[in-house]
Amino acid sequence: ILNVEQSPQSLHVQEGDSTNFTCSFPSSNFYALHWYRWETAKSPEALFVMTLNGDEKKKGRISATLNTKEGYSYLYIKGSQPEDSATYLCASNAGGTSYGKLTFGQGTILTVHP
Amino acid sequence: EAQVTQNPRYLITVTGKKLTVTCSQNMNHEYMSWYRQDPGLGLRQIYYSMNVEVTDKGDVPEGYKVSRKEKRNFPLILESPSPNQTSLYFCASSFLPGGEQYFGPGTRLTVT
Repeated sequence: ILNVEQSPQSLHVQEGDSTNFTCSFPSSNFYALHWYRWETAKSPEALFVMTLNGDEKKKGRISATLNTKEGYSYLYIKGSQPEDSATYLCASNAGGTSYGKLTFGQGTILTVHP
Repeated sequence: EAQVTQNPRYLITVTGKKLTVTCSQNMNHEYMSWYRQDPGLGLRQIYYSMNVEVTDKGDVPEGYKVSRKEKRNFPLILESPSPNQTSLYFCASSFLPGGEQYFGPGTRLTVT
C-alpha cells in the first residue's frame, strides 16, 4: 500500500488569506499525482492531475506544483473565499504494472471564515 | 450530461444478505474504480478495472467482488455483507488511470 500523507489535517483561515497544503508520496515508481476538492454532502471533484516533475497547474485562484524527485506536491489557494471551504484530497497512482491502483491521502479540511 | 450514476443511493440491509451496488458511466471511459470512505481513514480503493473483463484489487478488496462485462457498467457485489462493510461507497471513472476521476454521487450502506 502506498503511503500518501497530507498536512495539515485541518486549517482555519480568514477570508482573503492565501494558504497552502502539502501532499507527500513515494518518489520511487511514480505515475501520477491527483488533487480533488470535496465539499460536504457532494462527491469529490478533480482539480488537477500532474505527471511530470516540475509540473505547475492553475485553475483560477488555485494552483499546484509537483516535485516527483523528492515526493511532494503543494496546493495553493490565493485570496481564500468562504466557498473554498472543503476537504482537499491528494492521491497518487502506484507505478509499474499497478498504475491502476490509486491511493488517497486523508485530506486537508479547509475552513474559510468570512 | 456526462455523469456517473450509482444505485441505490442509500441501503440498509442485514448481515449475510447478498447485495449489488450498480455503477454506470456515459463518458466511454475505460478506467473505473470503487472506493469506500470511512471517518478518519479517507478514501480507500476496493477494486479497479482498466477495461472490459480486466479487473484488479485495490487496497481493501476483502469481502467484495466486481465484474466488468460492459464498458459502461462496473457493479460492486457484496456476497455476504458484514457490519464492518457499513460505509459510504463511491464509484469513479476516467479515460486513463492517471486521468481525472469523475465520481458518482455515493451510496451509503448500513449493514446491521
